[in-house]
Amino acid sequence: KAGVTQTPRYLIKTRGQQVTLSCSPISGHRSVSWYQQTPGQGLQFLFEYFSETQRNKGNFPGRFSGRQFSNSRSEMNVSTLELGDSALYLCASSGGAGAKGETQYFGPGTRLLVL
Amino acid sequence: DAKTTQPNSMESNEEEPVHLPCNHSTISGTDYIHWYRQLPSQGPEYVIHGLTSNVNNRMASLAIAEDRKSSTLILHRATLRDAAVYYCIRNYGQNFVFGPGTRLSVLP
Repeated sequence: KAGVTQTPRYLIKTRGQQVTLSCSPISGHRSVSWYQQTPGQGLQFLFEYFSETQRNKGNFPGRFSGRQFSNSRSEMNVSTLELGDSALYLCASSGGAGAKGETQYFGPGTRLLVL
Repeated sequence: DAKTTQPNSMESNEEEPVHLPCNHSTISGTDYIHWYRQLPSQGPEYVIHGLTSNVNNRMASLAIAEDRKSSTLILHRATLRDAAVYYCIRNYGQNFVFGPGTRLSVLP
């Protein structure tokens, strides 16, 4: 089975612009979660989608949004970029049935640099 | 996660056992404990997880304290390929709440 794929792998934007990142989960997985990784804050949960609905949300401003399509692929969008948004954005997929302890499978991430 | 603490770094010799500790003093009774590791330029990779009792798989063992306020990831024989950042994670509902991570160096 192919793993989780994320595109693009690297991105450079300027302050004030917006960006869209894409994630394709493992075939058959219905849950997609997004995380932000920075040297200062570590790995932080952004949001999780299941069956095209946002099921959980972390503590991030409204500039961060996402969506999920009927084929479980997901996109996240960051509007009005700030320098502090420079980070590695990771996507993870899981079966999503809601069973406790479910393993998440991570993609390689998209590295975003905001200038 | 401010409620999860891990040593910033640890060192091990190749082919020696490694014990990576994690304190999660405010974990709730239904939160699973996961361990993932991250190699440079890669996403986190699953290692092991458990709820109350000790767990073993081909990669590692997980020892969970009886009060669940701490856990230890055990790599039985460290190899150079085990050098990575190891994260202790509270599985809070559908969310993964990551600890700060321990950077493991393996010396030949």
